[in-house]
Amino acid sequence: NAGVMQNPRHLVRRRGQEARLRCSPMKGHSHVYWYRQLPEEGLKFMVYLQKENIIDESGMPKERFSAEFPKEGPSILRIQQVVRGDSAAYFCASSPTPVRTQYFGPGTRLLVL
Amino acid sequence: QQPVQSPQAVILREGEDAVINCSSSKALYSVHWYRQKHGEAPVFLMILLKGGEQKGHEKISASFNEKKQQSSLYLTASQLSYSGTYFCGTESGSGGSNYKLTFGKGTLLTVNP
Repeated sequence: NAGVMQNPRHLVRRRGQEARLRCSPMKGHSHVYWYRQLPEEGLKFMVYLQKENIIDESGMPKERFSAEFPKEGPSILRIQQVVRGDSAAYFCASSPTPVRTQYFGPGTRLLVL
Repeated sequence: QQPVQSPQAVILREGEDAVINCSSSKALYSVHWYRQKHGEAPVFLMILLKGGEQKGHEKISASFNEKKQQSSLYLTASQLSYSGTYFCGTESGSGGSNYKLTFGKGTLLTVNP
């Protein structure tokens, strides 16, 4: 059973460009969570999605950031007009239900130049 | 509110024991422990639910004191493979919604031969 997949693993963008981060949950998991990790910091919750629904986006910046989890395909975290402060590792996790353990993917390391 | 982990870092020799603490200012429903090696995904270790239950996994165990809003992770007879950063993730409130984990800043554990 493959684990949570994320791609790309590393992404370099210039200020003002768009970044698209993809997450494929574990088989049988319909709940996806995105977290951001800054150097020397813990993981910070951004958004929780089920298929086609955003359940909680309270941790996501109001502007430039959006997330989706379509009926088919991976979950996407989209950052528009990236700034240097967006540089971080972005992890997604999945679980079969919202009250079960979250399993993390390997992360996408975004570097904004 | 982010839980506070202590110590921030610890260095051990193989075979020695360590305790990592996680304290919250909020009433907790559950505590989740993860280990993350540099550049990799956080790996789930265990979850503790309200009730003071102590759990164990080989030489790694944990306790949860809900009254003190604290959890401790115990590593005995440490192995080189235990090296990494340990994070606690806490779920507040009455439970049933553990998607919203709040993580501490982590404890860097280094095990030397």
